[in-house]
Amino acid sequence: AQSVSQHNHHVILSEAASLELGCNYSYGGTVNLFWYVQYPGQHLQLLLKYFSGDPLVKGIKGFEAEFIKSKFSFNLRKPSVQWSDTAEYFCAVIANQAGTALIFGKGTTLSVSS
Amino acid sequence: DVKVTQSSRYLVKRTGEKVFLECVQDMDHENMFWYRQDPGLGLRLIYFSYDVKMKEKGDIPEGYSVSREKKERFSLILESASTNQTSMYLCASSRSTAPYGYTFGSGTRLTVV
Repeated sequence: AQSVSQHNHHVILSEAASLELGCNYSYGGTVNLFWYVQYPGQHLQLLLKYFSGDPLVKGIKGFEAEFIKSKFSFNLRKPSVQWSDTAEYFCAVIANQAGTALIFGKGTTLSVSS
Repeated sequence: DVKVTQSSRYLVKRTGEKVFLECVQDMDHENMFWYRQDPGLGLRLIYFSYDVKMKEKGDIPEGYSVSREKKERFSLILESASTNQTSMYLCASSRSTAPYGYTFGSGTRLTVV
């Protein structure tokens, strides 16, 4: 079964700082990868996803993620964070086969100070 | 606008009660899922279903059961609610093949007292 590990539980940054949130997964086969964001008091929103092709994926609000297959990683990046990026971020993985489900990491809380 | 609808936004139940959480999707998705979200633990998969009357255990099925009698409806049942089942419950649906297109409901915050 697949699993997801997010390295940072809580990240605190100042505005304009660069962001990188780590995500590693464990599964030997082909996977699809996702980053979701949950702003305070709001629902989960999809930031970006990787299915195949270019391993550098661009999402909404200036976020991007790079799939490195050899490292089983899918780290999320943003060159310059804003106060409005304060949220909880979840990495998720699903094995590319029938009968499986999306599995989430424990989440990383990002706090951005203005 | 396609959606996943959870019947209740907030619920308060007593210990030992049988609790039903209902979820309906209008996207003709094959797959449906129940997760619970707790601070510091992320979203954990309780059960999922990839077809009518089919179900699969997720990572934390103990204390829960599910029912899927129709394609669009997936119910989560707490047979005898306990305080450690106080949580946010999220329903989701998806296609059975990539790109899966997961859609989440707005959640039910259940408090067991």
